[in-house]
Amino acid sequence: KQEVTQIPAALSVPEGENLVLNCSFTDSAIYNLQWFRQDPGKGLTSLLLIQSSQREQTSGRLNASLDKSSGRSTLYIAASQPGDSATYLCAVDSRDSTLTFGKGTMLLVSP
Amino acid sequence: KAGVTQTPRYLIKTRGQQVTLSCSPISGHRSVSWYQQTPGQGLQFLFEYFSETQRNKGNFPGRFSGRQFSNSRSEMNVSTLELGDSALYLCASSLLSSYNSPLHFGNGTRLTVT
Repeated sequence: KQEVTQIPAALSVPEGENLVLNCSFTDSAIYNLQWFRQDPGKGLTSLLLIQSSQREQTSGRLNASLDKSSGRSTLYIAASQPGDSATYLCAVDSRDSTLTFGKGTMLLVSP
Repeated sequence: KAGVTQTPRYLIKTRGQQVTLSCSPISGHRSVSWYQQTPGQGLQFLFEYFSETQRNKGNFPGRFSGRQFSNSRSEMNVSTLELGDSALYLCASSLLSSYNSPLHFGNGTRLTVT
């Protein structure tokens, strides 16, 4: 059974700092990995989707990497802004199970 | 283009009752999936529908059921409600399979069972 862990559970940084969020998974037989953000009381917004054959994806100030063999993904946020404050979740689509989410990293960027 | 719409936004029910939640996907999207989010368990997959057929089901009891209509709109039903069913229920749609294209989520239905 796939298990997804996100570290840290919470992170507080000053505006302008670059930061890295981590996601690890136990079963490397995956189709893809997605990163989402969730604002309080809202649904999830898809940020990046990395197919199993890809190593990384970039969108604006966001860069996500995938290392299937080690079961790890990172989400890099450059020049953080207060508007980046949200909970970030990663989700893994595994070949023998359903979409599995981590419990998220709650990010606070202070002005 | 309108996003994923979930109704109602909030719902309060009593133990033992049943409830139906509705989800309208983005126009043209054929896959709809449902998730339960609680503080303790996080986000858990309930089921996915594609072209009116259930393609996958998570590890939930049979009290949780769903269906998809020919226009891709989906409903989720929970019978014999329990206190532990209190959660945010999220629906997501995608163009093809939920696992090959990005998921687009609605804002959810907040269900409280008393």
